[in-house]
Amino acid sequence: EVKLEESGGGLVQPGGSMKLSCVASGFTFSNYWMNWVRQSPEKGLEWVAEIRLKSNNYATHYAESVKGRFTISRDDSKSSVYLQMNNLRAEDTGIYYCTRGLRSSHAMDYWGQGTSVTVSS
Amino acid sequence: DIVMTQSPSSLAMSVGQKVTLSCKSSQSLLNSSSQKNFLAWYQQKPGQSPKLLLYFASTRESGVPDRFIGSGSGTDFTLTISSVQAEDQADYFCQQHYSTPRTFGGGTKLEIK
Repeated sequence: EVKLEESGGGLVQPGGSMKLSCVASGFTFSNYWMNWVRQSPEKGLEWVAEIRLKSNNYATHYAESVKGRFTISRDDSKSSVYLQMNNLRAEDTGIYYCTRGLRSSHAMDYWGQGTSVTVSS
Repeated sequence: DIVMTQSPSSLAMSVGQKVTLSCKSSQSLLNSSSQKNFLAWYQQKPGQSPKLLLYFASTRESGVPDRFIGSGSGTDFTLTISSVQAEDQADYFCQQHYSTPRTFGGGTKLEIK
């Protein structure tokens, strides 16, 4: 059974940092692109970042709204993907989901349960 | 960035009715080499994570009931629920998986009367 389990969310002050983790199980993690997607009532669903495979030199892509502040990374030996978030803003508040990209299409076929991030003083 | 626009924003239907949801993209999602449209549909029920229903506009994900039908090409797409059931009450989102940033539509809230 495919599982994605996020952790690391919580309350952080504006300008602060936070690192989210996602541990995967039930599939060969190293064969799949991985993403972070967030959701808030104000903005709806927003794709945040993507990381590709070792064969793609672990290429990364980001939403413009987080470029330069967020860093996605992965550790295939631990079946884990991470999101380092720096200089956090109130508008970064939301539920953050870790998702797997379908190998054929890169649509997101599995989602974690999400971890909540609140940026507030 | 490709802008995804869904309509209507909400609707209420009775069990057994046919439901049609629309999604339009600001650029074509048709890949010329594969001839596939890179458009996905997701369903999200209250308190749950989104669930992939269809990708490549019309390919049903494993386990998705065949009453969910995707169609369209280029910039205009439709999700049809042929005979809506009570358990289909949810939010529905389209997303382009053609290019980054992988943008989502604003969603359609489906209520079952």
